[in-house]
Amino acid sequence: AQKVTQAQTEISVVEKEDVTLDCVYETRDTTYYLFWYKQPPSGELVFLIRRNSFDEQNEISGRYSWNFQKSTSSFNFTITASQVVDSAVYFCALSDENRDDKIIFGKGTRLHILP
Amino acid sequence: DAGVIQSPRHEVTEMGQEVTLRCKPISGHNSLFWYRQTMMRGLELLIYFNNNVPIDDSGMPEDRFSAKMPNASFSTLKIQPSEPRDSAVYFCASTEQGVYGYTFGSGTRLTVV
Repeated sequence: AQKVTQAQTEISVVEKEDVTLDCVYETRDTTYYLFWYKQPPSGELVFLIRRNSFDEQNEISGRYSWNFQKSTSSFNFTITASQVVDSAVYFCALSDENRDDKIIFGKGTRLHILP
Repeated sequence: DAGVIQSPRHEVTEMGQEVTLRCKPISGHNSLFWYRQTMMRGLELLIYFNNNVPIDDSGMPEDRFSAKMPNASFSTLKIQPSEPRDSAVYFCASTEQGVYGYTFGSGTRLTVV
């Protein structure tokens, strides 16, 4: 069965600190996709990244970076030099090739960036 | 592209009333998903469609919930009769089949009093 675990329910850091959001997933499939979505206080769900199971290269996009490690079934998300605008709920999610694009979401991590 | 369009943005209704939520997917997207978000349960997939056909409705909580997709550009989620525990934010999302990753609508915040 598929499962996504985000053990950190809520994190608070002071602006300009780095912060890492953890994500651990479970799947029996060899081909799958991992995602991160951001939900700011306004409520919309914003797509951040998609990574397929065959690509373990880390990804960097500005202050955001993602560390995918199949050996530990983890797909962690780091924000460098955090800003108040990064305050949001962040969701990690999983989809596998055999499930018609269905995405299973973790419970989310609420991130507070304090000024 | 206008993105995925949901209406209404907010809905307040009395217990027992029928509620209909609407979604217009992105043109060309042939997969559509309905999710419900609550504090307790997070984001739950209710039902999804491929090419207007319901594929998996195992997430629909009760028979009071029903969803239709009469054509490629429109879907509805209906709750009849509504109950206070149905209060949640309901999201619609769409994607091209085989392209993994959705575009979400802005959601409908439903309050049943």
